[in-house]
Amino acid sequence: QSVLTQPPSASGTPGQRVTISCSGSSSNIGSNTVNWYQQLPGTAPKLLIYSNNQRPSGVPDRFSGSKSGTSASLAISGLQSEDEADYYCAAWDDSLNGHVVFGGGTKLTVL
Amino acid sequence: QMQLVQSGAEVKKTGSSVKVSCKASGYTFTYRYLHWVRQAPGQALEWMGWITPFNGNTNYAQKFQDRVTITRDRSMSTAYMELSSLRSEDTAMYYCASSPTEQWLYYWGQGTLVTVSS
Repeated sequence: QSVLTQPPSASGTPGQRVTISCSGSSSNIGSNTVNWYQQLPGTAPKLLIYSNNQRPSGVPDRFSGSKSGTSASLAISGLQSEDEADYYCAAWDDSLNGHVVFGGGTKLTVL
Repeated sequence: QMQLVQSGAEVKKTGSSVKVSCKASGYTFTYRYLHWVRQAPGQALEWMGWITPFNGNTNYAQKFQDRVTITRDRSMSTAYMELSSLRSEDTAMYYCASSPTEQWLYYWGQGTLVTVSS
């Protein structure tokens, strides 16, 4: 059971805009920034968004992130077939000694 | 360019230990956190802990507190994750990842598959 809650699946057609939600609590998303990771089939995860809405170098601006209160979302515009992957949200959690918590992941299918 | 190269796949017996290595290159090893994350087959990512290579400070997830040890060899720019008292549920892909902060994982290694069986 993951600490952050994501929908298990999402889908869209090429060119469409899709969003993936992530819900947490006051000890994680409510007090820290949210990060998103993309995991293409059979590969290691890749940092997609950090500090709520920042993109590492090389990540297309089709990907954007936002946060409000204890929830966050990832938006993908102009959906492409190569965006088909698992997406994970994550955040620092202040409880215990502090630790990283992940969502359960959302499998995005491009129809 | 930044690179994290992990050791090869391991097959272990229940109750034994495994030690996975992660060799860093392309950046100053001591300047970044080094995290460990695992992913059981078909499951979500699970954070295990981090080490600060500069001074060897560690922070472990409570779930693994009693069984995991993360160390580093500064001279080799290599970090290690040792997991003891292995059980079948520890069968997973283990990843190392470096980052300038404790809060996100910027660059990932290729993963090391650890299989535990009796």
